[in-house]
Amino acid sequence: KAGVTQTPRYLIKTRGQQVTLSCSPISGHRSVSWYQQTPGQGLQFLFEYFSETQRNKGNFPGRFSGRQFSNSRSEMNVSTLELGDSALYLCASSPQSSGNTIYFGEGSWLTVV
Amino acid sequence: DQQVKQNSPSLSVQEGRISILNCDYTNSMFDYFLWYKKYPAEGPTFLISISSIKDKNEDGRFTVFLNKSAKHLSLHIVPSQPGDSAVYFCAALGISRTGTASKLTFGTGTRLQVTL
Repeated sequence: KAGVTQTPRYLIKTRGQQVTLSCSPISGHRSVSWYQQTPGQGLQFLFEYFSETQRNKGNFPGRFSGRQFSNSRSEMNVSTLELGDSALYLCASSPQSSGNTIYFGEGSWLTVV
Repeated sequence: DQQVKQNSPSLSVQEGRISILNCDYTNSMFDYFLWYKKYPAEGPTFLISISSIKDKNEDGRFTVFLNKSAKHLSLHIVPSQPGDSAVYFCAALGISRTGTASKLTFGTGTRLQVTL
């Protein structure tokens, strides 16, 4: 059974650009959430989707957005990139809407220059 | 406001001995607690979880203990192996009252080194 798949694994962007990251959850999982990991702030929650609806959002500016498709795949977008957006972006999936077993992908490592 | 705290940034244990990783939390409304193992630039690997209504959960070499009155949990790894060397994160899961949303709040991590 395939795990959570994130693409791309590594990317470099320039300040002011935008980026889209993709996540395919474990087959059958309907809840997808996104997290950002930086050295200074640790692992922080971005947002969670279930059945194409965003149900929870962390404390991030509106430049960070996401969506979920009918096949549960999810994308997150960051517009007008800033140097401080350089981070490891992690996608996680869970089988239920309020599951206590949450599995993470390998992450997308974004560097903004 | 750090709701989940791991006060020991690092821990060194000899192979074969017990590793005890600690975690404290402030929000009594968390529903589950999860432990993850993580290597640099990789995603966290789920290890074990415990419901807030339990006080112990065991899975192989991993046991998690929850003390609700002290708002404290710990992960025990017995016996410790060199392959256990990694950063361990404690995370608390809060589920909305409608049961339709959840989010993980992570601690800052403890780097475990298992020496030969």
